[in-house]
Amino acid sequence: QSALTQPASVSGSPGQSITIPCTGTSSDIGGYNYVSWYQQHPGEAPKLMIYDVIYRPPGVSNRFSGSKSGNTASLTISGLQAEDEADYYCISYRDSSLWVFGGGTKLTVL
Amino acid sequence: QVQLVESGGGVVQPGRSLRLSCTVSGFTFNNYGMHWVRQAPGKGLEWVAVISYDASKRYYADSLKGRFTISRDYSKNTLYLQMDSLRADDTAVYYCARALSYGSESSIEYWGQGALVTVSS
Repeated sequence: QSALTQPASVSGSPGQSITIPCTGTSSDIGGYNYVSWYQQHPGEAPKLMIYDVIYRPPGVSNRFSGSKSGNTASLTISGLQAEDEADYYCISYRDSSLWVFGGGTKLTVL
Repeated sequence: QVQLVESGGGVVQPGRSLRLSCTVSGFTFNNYGMHWVRQAPGKGLEWVAVISYDASKRYYADSLKGRFTISRDYSKNTLYLQMDSLRADDTAVYYCARALSYGSESSIEYWGQGALVTVSS
């Protein structure tokens, strides 16, 4: 099963906003509102940042937001901070009750 | 608080089997779907399997080709992953994870710290 497509890397300066796209197909992102985003710092387990496309779990900064258009979901981080530097992964529910991750995006805060 | 603790990782020879366990606490195990996810060294996350809250539904990544089995024991608050016919490319950190709710269509909310499985002769 093919992974969702994410850029390998993105970067931004402190205070700026960045957006990470996650592209799939009508069998996954386009067909369901079950897209989540995870932040992973080196050597740590992933942390849920956004679920069901747009919802933030308690405790996650409102600088993080999610959206979807067609077969592409996006994670936007506003007011970039040094602590946001990490790897970010999207995941989507897919036909036949499967789940599929994106390849991951390394965010560098310049 | 929610805790998920994996165990059973280690070094195993190609072709052999290994069973991972994940003991949970801090929530009602019977009410949530559970996932396994793996991450090969220096690579991205790969979804492995999911089991619904009542174990009536189990789904696996196509790439596993029937070699892995997910199960759960309610009396022990434990999730399992039985891995057979292991190959070198199964080498990874295996994460146990709790879903947002009960169904197999519920995404991952909480993660364990992971168990390293190394397949090598």
